[in-house]
Amino acid sequence: QKEVEQNSGPLSVPEGAIASLNCTYSDRGSQSFFWYRQYSGKSPELIMFIYSNGDKEDGRFTAQLNKASQYVSLLIRDSQPSDSATYLCAAVAGSNYKLTFGKGTLLTVNP
Amino acid sequence: NAGVTQTPKFQVLKTGQSMTLQCAQDMNHNSMYWYRQDPGMGLRLIYYSASEGTTDKGEVPNGYNVSRLNKREFSLRLESAAPSQTSVYFCASSERVGNTEAFFGQGTRLTVV
Repeated sequence: QKEVEQNSGPLSVPEGAIASLNCTYSDRGSQSFFWYRQYSGKSPELIMFIYSNGDKEDGRFTAQLNKASQYVSLLIRDSQPSDSATYLCAAVAGSNYKLTFGKGTLLTVNP
Repeated sequence: NAGVTQTPKFQVLKTGQSMTLQCAQDMNHNSMYWYRQDPGMGLRLIYYSASEGTTDKGEVPNGYNVSRLNKREFSLRLESAAPSQTSVYFCASSERVGNTEAFFGQGTRLTVV
């Protein structure tokens, strides 16, 4: 079982809608969680990180963490066509603090 | 400020050839990583270096070797390339392992024929 699981999608939403991206992790000792965005042919770039249970908001993006359920999500409000990309969930876990990625979810925002 | 720089950007190898992918960062980061990305597989960790002088295996280390040359540079070597190593390779660095952001290089697209 991969340590970080994501629905590969594709997820398609209309412009202006809320996009909801989900991620689960298997290691209960995971400490930190990151959401990266990757445009086609480009390298990943960090959108948000979250360490504590609850919500964390940054502009149109909200990360949610529920450690009891081992669940992390990313909400994108007022989705724009420029948000179309693959979103990668990552977790830091283990005694050696490896950064492990999920397979990514492809999001398409339709004008 | 260049961030993380990888060379080369593209490479075609014949089966059995060897090559070294170079990575350098100018952010004074302690930790560096090599990932490979294949369609449908996401980013998989090959090797990482938590600090200068240390290296550890990741999820898919077979067929690769690494060298942490100094704090700035972390190279990945393929001793005898195989078609299964066709992939996009990303180098990344972070201030330290753990709860810090990783910054990625632009990637190396490697094809082994």
